[in-house]
Amino acid sequence: DTGVSQDPRHKITKRGQNVTFRCDPISEHNRLYWYRQTLGQGPEFLTYFQNEAQLEKSRLLSDRFSAERPKGSFSTLEIQRTEQGDSAMYLCASSLGVQPHFGQGTRLTVV
Amino acid sequence: GIQVEQSPPDLILQEGANSTLRCNFSDSVNNLQWFHQNPWGQLINLFYIPSGTKQNGRLSATTVATERYSLLYISSSQTTDSGVYFCATTPGAGSYQLTFGKGTKLSVIP
Repeated sequence: DTGVSQDPRHKITKRGQNVTFRCDPISEHNRLYWYRQTLGQGPEFLTYFQNEAQLEKSRLLSDRFSAERPKGSFSTLEIQRTEQGDSAMYLCASSLGVQPHFGQGTRLTVV
Repeated sequence: GIQVEQSPPDLILQEGANSTLRCNFSDSVNNLQWFHQNPWGQLINLFYIPSGTKQNGRLSATTVATERYSLLYISSSQTTDSGVYFCATTPGAGSYQLTFGKGTKLSVIP
């Protein structure tokens, strides 16, 4: 069990640029989740995959956000035309059952 | 959607003291879970406790689903217990969309 791995750990981007984050789940886990966390708040659900199928999406996931898990293994989260309000920690988690294991997150700063 | 409220928002303890953290939720829930986020941001799953009581070392948790609350007990606190404790739950069977509370920030001082 090498844990959930996220890359990069930190990203600074200019407003209007596109960014992409990667998540590698624990290998035997079929479920993968993306959450966003801002300072002083709990994580907010963005989306969930079971294998390669995207089964749940939050209304927070605007049309500028897209997530993929093409082969049911790693996942990517892309944010297009970033805005300052997108600055947050983006957390990925994976699970086999109902208890998710979280990665260390990617901290995005939009300047 | 479901509302999750945690209290207290902040807690300062002397090392060795005990504490109780509370989580209230607005509706029938599934998959009630407790997490600890350490000062470096890593979220660790402590308990999956939709009902009843569980214990793991110095930590225990109780959920009374009919009264819509859960409690996390920390006994003999240590400085490594510092961080933010979150409870989270899903709205119903078949959903894996966790809704988190705002957390209780615990500081354990030596």
